[in-house]
Amino acid sequence: GESVGLHLPTLSVQEGDNSIINCAYSNSASDYFIWYKQESGKGPQFIIDIRSNMDKRQGQRVTVLLNKTVKHLSLQIAATQPGDSAVYFCVFKENAGGTSYGKLTFGQGTILTVHP
Amino acid sequence: EPEVTQTPSHQVTQMGQEVILRCVPISNHLYFYWYRQILGQKVEFLVSFYNNEISEKSEIFDDQFSVERPDGSNFTLKIRSTKLEDSAMYFCAGLQGAEDTQYFGPGTRLTVL
Repeated sequence: GESVGLHLPTLSVQEGDNSIINCAYSNSASDYFIWYKQESGKGPQFIIDIRSNMDKRQGQRVTVLLNKTVKHLSLQIAATQPGDSAVYFCVFKENAGGTSYGKLTFGQGTILTVHP
Repeated sequence: EPEVTQTPSHQVTQMGQEVILRCVPISNHLYFYWYRQILGQKVEFLVSFYNNEISEKSEIFDDQFSVERPDGSNFTLKIRSTKLEDSAMYFCAGLQGAEDTQYFGPGTRLTVL
């Protein structure tokens, strides 16, 4: 039978603009947050991560902000390029007893489209 | 840069048939995972594997699923009797252990007819 997919949030920007993708989480036990990018037909690709003891982390053209008070995570992409077009997932990991190998829990995803 | 590889890229099978999806993780990785993504939906955790045994599994990972690392290199996911609802992209991922980042393979698209 037909499967009905989720209607993902979308964000359309012009090349060169800054993009902000937002994500809310509900599990207070999450202590490690990651943004993954998924291009069409490919596996998720790590972009940037942040631990719960931080509120901001910067990478190359990307910044992740964490607000634990309101359980909100955002990804900022500076000078967005057409190659940034993809689905962006906020991903969470609970502290697996202090180990690093806990499962990842993926959020819903946001479709980013960058127009030249 | 080393990558996780998966074969086949696309598998078509009849309902009730067994399928084996294969993954070659990055050589220094110690923890291994399978995730699946039904078309248009988010990625879901299936199972984690460490030291030749399952560490954690989700509700999806029922008796029809099994994993093994038979030769210390390949990491496989077997579905014994496929159902229509098993149609999805299946992703293998690995983790070194000294860091937190899970690296994903390109996925295998499984189509059950």
